[in-house]
Amino acid sequence: AQTVTQSQPEMSVQEAETVTLSCTYDTSENNYYLFWYKQPPSRQMILVIRQEAYKQQNATENRFSVNFQKAAKSFSLKISDSQLGDTAMYFCAFMKHEYGNKLVFGAGTILRVKS
Amino acid sequence: DTGVSQDPRHKITKRGQNVTFRCDPISEHNRLYWYRQTLGQGPEFLTYFQNEAQLEKSRLLSDRFSAERPKGSFSTLEIQRTEQGDSAMYLCASSTELRTPLEQYFGPGTRLTVT
Repeated sequence: AQTVTQSQPEMSVQEAETVTLSCTYDTSENNYYLFWYKQPPSRQMILVIRQEAYKQQNATENRFSVNFQKAAKSFSLKISDSQLGDTAMYFCAFMKHEYGNKLVFGAGTILRVKS
Repeated sequence: DTGVSQDPRHKITKRGQNVTFRCDPISEHNRLYWYRQTLGQGPEFLTYFQNEAQLEKSRLLSDRFSAERPKGSFSTLEIQRTEQGDSAMYLCASSTELRTPLEQYFGPGTRLTVT
């Protein structure tokens, strides 16, 4: 079974600064996908960024980028130029490369952006 | 896209009562997922439909839980003889292979409180 661990229950960052959220996972699979989802307070979860395990290049989406270390089974999220609207719960998630594609989530990290 | 919708948004029920939740996926999405999220935790997979066929069920889905997706459109999740431990946010998500096959779009969730 796959497990996803987020070791930082809460993080805070000043507006316009950079913050990194950590995620580690455990799997015996070779083909899989990793995701970061954002869940703002009282709002629905949305996808922030995804990474295919077979790609060595780290994914980037505007101010969001990942540091994917396959051998170390590490998948951190870096948010640059933090904005107040980034305040949310962030979940790291794992998906096997198979039919069905269910997500396995970590426990989440609450990120607070301060003005 | 109108997005994934869920009804009701909140449900308070007494222990032992039955409850039913509804999920309407994005119209062209053939895959539908149910997850359960307890306070301070990440969502946990419950079950998955491909069109009208229920293809996978988690061990979390006890005999008191039943899910259906008649005609491959909306889905219902019923909990019989509710227990206090059933209190959680129930999330629905949908996806399709036709566009971004790996992205699951989440609904706002139904928060269940069992008293």
